[in-house]
Amino acid sequence: QKEVEQDPGPLSVPEGAIVSLNCTYSNSAFQYFMWYRQYSRKGPELLMYTYSSGNKEDGRFTAQVDKSSKYISLFIRDSQPSDSATYLCAMRGNDYKLSFGAGTTVTVRA
Amino acid sequence: EPEVTQTPSHQVTQMGQEVILRCVPISNHLYFYWYRQILGQKVEFLVSFYNNEISEKSEIFDDQFSVERPDGSNFTLKIRSTKLEDSAMYFCASGTGLEKLFFGSGTQLSVL
Repeated sequence: QKEVEQDPGPLSVPEGAIVSLNCTYSNSAFQYFMWYRQYSRKGPELLMYTYSSGNKEDGRFTAQVDKSSKYISLFIRDSQPSDSATYLCAMRGNDYKLSFGAGTTVTVRA
Repeated sequence: EPEVTQTPSHQVTQMGQEVILRCVPISNHLYFYWYRQILGQKVEFLVSFYNNEISEKSEIFDDQFSVERPDGSNFTLKIRSTKLEDSAMYFCASGTGLEKLFFGSGTQLSVL
């Protein structure tokens, strides 16, 4: 079983739709959960950071973590064409190493 | 807004040659990292560096790799004898703690 699993998509939605992304993981030691956005040939850009279980909202973005199910989600409300990118989940335990998902490619159609 | 800066953006080298990838982390950050992404694959952890020493490294980071913080601002990754399979995008990252990492735009390394 892969440590972090993420459906690579691609995911195509119309402008204004809600984008729903998720990852599952197998390592119960993971405590810190992040979502990054990556544009083509660029570095990952931190979008959301969550510690342990719970929800976090920042503008149009909501991150959810369910440690009991080893499942994390990112929701993007009122999606815009500028949200078109690859979204990476990442997580770690009490060490230095971030483990990434494969990334989901999202296209928001105008 | 402060950012992590990487140079060069592209590096082409011959197999067996040494390369040095350079990074300027965000100025008040204390934790420094190198990650890489082979085309079409996941971002992979290589090494973390804190308090002037390697704090953790992956199995990828073998004796051919080394890191250095030669002064107060630069952070470098050296590959001593490049292999074809070292071709990848290399990302430098930094953070004030372990929670949030900020990545540079990467150096695309092509080994011929």
